[in-house]
Amino acid sequence: GNSVTQMEGPVTLSEEAFLTINCTYTATGYPSLFWYVQYPGEGLQLLLKATKADDKGSNKGFEATYRKETTSFHLEKGSVQVSDSAVYFCALSDSGGSNYKLTFGKGTLLTVNP
Amino acid sequence: GAGVSQTPSNKVTEKGKYVELRCDPISGHTALYWYRQSLGQGPEFLIYFQGTGAADDSGLPNDRFFAVRPEGSVSTLKIQRTERGDSAVYLCASSLGDGGHEQYFGPGTRLTVT
Repeated sequence: GNSVTQMEGPVTLSEEAFLTINCTYTATGYPSLFWYVQYPGEGLQLLLKATKADDKGSNKGFEATYRKETTSFHLEKGSVQVSDSAVYFCALSDSGGSNYKLTFGKGTLLTVNP
Repeated sequence: GAGVSQTPSNKVTEKGKYVELRCDPISGHTALYWYRQSLGQGPEFLIYFQGTGAADDSGLPNDRFFAVRPEGSVSTLKIQRTERGDSAVYLCASSLGDGGHEQYFGPGTRLTVT
């Protein structure tokens, strides 16, 4: 079955530091890939997505590139802010008829200190 | 506009009791999903509704779990004879149309079985 493995947290950075959260996946076919973010006290929100190989998703300064050859979708940001403190989840959706079903990683807690 | 809402936000119940968790999706969203998030884990898919019917209930863990969406809008997740292992955050999401559209998540209901 499908699975997502992401970097264990917690990750603690100083403001303006570079962020990488690693994510690799196992899936049949050609899944779509997502990063979701959960800010304290809020629901999961879609941060960015990529639907095919070599696509780059980007939003709010975050980027991730769909790498089929390494089955990876690492999240990066060049300069983090305190407001980026949250839990980040990598996820994939099945290709084809089950593309509504999201499979999530365990999440990575990011804390950014001023 | 209003997002996905879930009630109650917290529910504490005794082992063996019956509970109902409610989800109000975004108006106009025909697809609705339930996920379960155990402590330290990512959300796990439970069930997907398209309109009034359960299109995929393959994630329901056993026959103590049941969900309905009688009018194609509000959904209720029902758990009979609750067990301590059912303790988790239950998340609801909705989306336009069928799978492949962005899923918008509610804040979740935290269920604690004592």
